Amino acid sequence: AQSVAQPEDQVNVAEGNPLTVKCTYSVSGNPYLFWYVQYPNRGLQFLLKYITGDNLVKGSYGFEAEFNKSQTSFHLKKPSALVSDSALYFCAVSLAGTALIFGKGTTLSVSS
Amino acid sequence: DADVTQTPRNRITKTGKRIMLECSQTKGHDRMYWYRQDPGLGLRLIYYSFDVKDINKGEISDGYSVSRQAQAKFSLSLESAIPNQTALYFCATSKGQGAVEKLFFGSGTQLSVL
Repeated sequence: AQSVAQPEDQVNVAEGNPLTVKCTYSVSGNPYLFWYVQYPNRGLQFLLKYITGDNLVKGSYGFEAEFNKSQTSFHLKKPSALVSDSALYFCAVSLAGTALIFGKGTTLSVSS
Repeated sequence: DADVTQTPRNRITKTGKRIMLECSQTKGHDRMYWYRQDPGLGLRLIYYSFDVKDINKGEISDGYSVSRQAQAKFSLSLESAIPNQTALYFCATSKGQGAVEKLFFGSGTQLSVL
């Protein structure tokens, strides 16, 4: 069975600073990895995915994530945070032919 | 615009009542999913369906049932609601064939069981 861990409930960063939201996964096979964002009172929106290929994946709103197979991690990053990035972020994993399993989420708070 | 629509948006019910949450989509996707969101627990998969004749249990299917009435419709039922089923419920869809890729979510149904 696959699982995802987001070790931080909350990440605080000042506007303009780089941000990292951590994700580690556990699967028996080649993982498909995703990041989604949820703004207040909204459904989830897709940010980016890793299926295969280049370990550095670029997504929406200037976000990127790096797949690290040896550390079983898929951390979300952005070089310069914006206040508008404040939201709840979910990492998710799936295997071929299975549904996505989500982590518990990390609240990102960007202060001005 | 093609969309994923959940009804109702909010529902308050009493313990022991039967309730149905409905999801319809105009995206033409084969795959549909039901998740519930609880604070601190993230999203947990309840049931999913990869086509009209396919139904699969997720992480937390006990106390729930589903019906895939058509490609575009996927309903979630609580046969006898209990308070710990109070949560925000999301329906999602994705394209068929191969690995699951991008999910498209509805706006959610906030369910309160008293």
